Amino acid sequence: AQTVTQSQPEMSVQEAETVTLSCTYDTSESDYYLFWYKQPPSRQMILVIRQEAYKQQNATENRFSVNFQKAAKSFSLKISDSQLGDAAMYFCAYRSGYSGYALNFGKGTSLLVTP
Amino acid sequence: EPEVTQTPSHQVTQMGQEVILRCVPISNHLYFYWYRQILGQKVEFLVSFYNNEISEKSEIFDDQFSVERPDGSNFTLKIRSTKLEDSAMYFCASSEGRLADNEQFFGPGTRLTVL
Repeated sequence: AQTVTQSQPEMSVQEAETVTLSCTYDTSESDYYLFWYKQPPSRQMILVIRQEAYKQQNATENRFSVNFQKAAKSFSLKISDSQLGDAAMYFCAYRSGYSGYALNFGKGTSLLVTP
Repeated sequence: EPEVTQTPSHQVTQMGQEVILRCVPISNHLYFYWYRQILGQKVEFLVSFYNNEISEKSEIFDDQFSVERPDGSNFTLKIRSTKLEDSAMYFCASSEGRLADNEQFFGPGTRLTVL
């Protein structure tokens, strides 16, 4: 079974600065997808960014980008120019490209943004 | 923008009682999911549902759990005889398709407290 590990329970960043959230995963599959979800307080999880394992190029969505290191099984999220609205719980998730429907989540990283 | 909605936001019940958690998925979505998050732990997949059938379930989803789409809009999770360890946040999600790159859209969750 695949496991997803987020080793940082909490992170803090100052407004306008850059922060990187870590995620590692364990799999024997070659086809899979990785996701970062954001969950603001008392709000639903929303997809921030997605990466297909077969793509070498790192995904980017505005201020959010990933550093996907397939050999190292690492998938970190970089948030540039952090804003107060970025404060949330961030979940890394894995989904098999072969079968199944389940997203396999890490435990999450709570991001605090300070003015 | 369409959203997944869930009711109630918080449910308190006595051990041994039946509870039904309700979800309204996004209207053109065909695949539906339930996840749960016990406090302090990771979000865990419970079940996926398509075409009025369970398409995948996890080990957590035992005989005390059931899902149903009673009408064209609602998707429900029933827990027949609640246990203390069922206390958790339950998230409903939906997606247009089943492929791994189809985004799963999450609801805000129902916090279930079993006393």
